[in-house]
Amino acid sequence: ELKVEQNPLFLSMQEGKNYTIYCNYSTTSDRLYWYRQDPGKSLESLFVLLSNGAVKQEGRLMASLDTKARLSTLHITAAVHDLSATYFCAVRETSGSRLTFGEGTQLTVNP
Amino acid sequence: GAVVSQHPSRVICKSGTSVKIECRSLDFQATTMFWYRQFPKQSLMLMATSNEGSKATYEQGVEKDKFLINHASLTLSTLTVTSAHPEDSSFYICSARETTQQFFGPGTRLTVL
Repeated sequence: ELKVEQNPLFLSMQEGKNYTIYCNYSTTSDRLYWYRQDPGKSLESLFVLLSNGAVKQEGRLMASLDTKARLSTLHITAAVHDLSATYFCAVRETSGSRLTFGEGTQLTVNP
Repeated sequence: GAVVSQHPSRVICKSGTSVKIECRSLDFQATTMFWYRQFPKQSLMLMATSNEGSKATYEQGVEKDKFLINHASLTLSTLTVTSAHPEDSSFYICSARETTQQFFGPGTRLTVL
């Protein structure tokens, strides 16, 4: 059974600081997703990572994937309050179609 | 990106009634759609995978007779919560896959009194 673990689960940071959220998974995967969820809302797609060494950046967020280590990171650069949300990684097994989600990281950026 | 809609966005019903939630892919065809449930402060849990023209595949622990799924066309899947009880109150989110991306509907908040 595929397990996906995120850490930290809660992150409170100040504006302007950098931080990284980690996503570990337990079996081979052919794609990894990062999503953002605001309170009471559904999921917004941020990144999809398809291959080892993939790196994608959008604004202050950068995601990377190391399939050998079964690890993805979401790096936040110079955080701003608008980034406050819950961030989920989700992994699709190589052999399947379903996504398994991590527990989510609740990010709060304080002024 | 592709758009997935859900209807209704919010529903309140009495215990024992049935509730139908619709999920539509608006600008693409989805042979496969997924139904998730999310309790407050928790992650998304996959309930079932809906395949157009065939029976849905349910995850372990999800009662197929209680959560009826129909995927009658390439753009529409429905989830019916039958004989709803307060413990079924949750945020239900559907998702549809287009090539490498999986897009999520806006969710339906179900409250069973």
